[in-house]
Amino acid sequence: DAKTTQPTSMDCAEGRAANLPCNHSTISGNEYVYWYRQIHSQGPQYIIHGLKNNETNEMASLIITEDRKSSTLILPHATLRDTAVYYCIVRVAGGNQGGKLIFGQGTELSVKP
Amino acid sequence: GAVVSQHPSWVICKSGTSVKIECRSLDFQATTMFWYRQFPKQSLMLMATSNEGSKATYEQGVEKDKFLINHASLTLSTLTVTSAHPEDSSFYICSARDLTGELFFGEGSRLTVL
Repeated sequence: DAKTTQPTSMDCAEGRAANLPCNHSTISGNEYVYWYRQIHSQGPQYIIHGLKNNETNEMASLIITEDRKSSTLILPHATLRDTAVYYCIVRVAGGNQGGKLIFGQGTELSVKP
Repeated sequence: GAVVSQHPSWVICKSGTSVKIECRSLDFQATTMFWYRQFPKQSLMLMATSNEGSKATYEQGVEKDKFLINHASLTLSTLTVTSAHPEDSSFYICSARDLTGELFFGEGSRLTVL
């Protein structure tokens, strides 16, 4: 079973920041938080991942709470092309022991003009 | 970035026939690949873990004789849906794990069984 819970859907205005929350209260010490998104009829696209520090890349920022029980993915300036289902997944990472990805239901983000 | 290619991207077949879907890691070696199935409006469901040179590990409820997985090389895994029926119509997606443990997804293969 997925170890994360996310809101089923969210709306965001184009150009505004999209903040997608995720709860992972049972996360283990060696599990990372991963975010993927899936645009309709395509394979999942990697966005970002982190262990305990906040992370930022060209796509998004990831804010992880100090107790690691929840996180927020931030798309700073959402565009219509960011409309997708966003999945938050916890996973053991690294080397040959990198764990499989178990997908929950995700959050369907709709970016509106 | 690393690329994973699936072929075919879509296929239509008659009920009772078998269909093979290929998953290739184009620029890295993948000792492990994962196969997922996704029905409309649903999330991805992990079917099996494919390990190069050994038998695949199937998730609970997935019939290994129905979904044959072969991982004969470090860059290729195949999923064969045997004796396909309309209820097998789905979007099949693979992912490949590189030597650092990171995962990369293919674009998916849409199977329609008539």
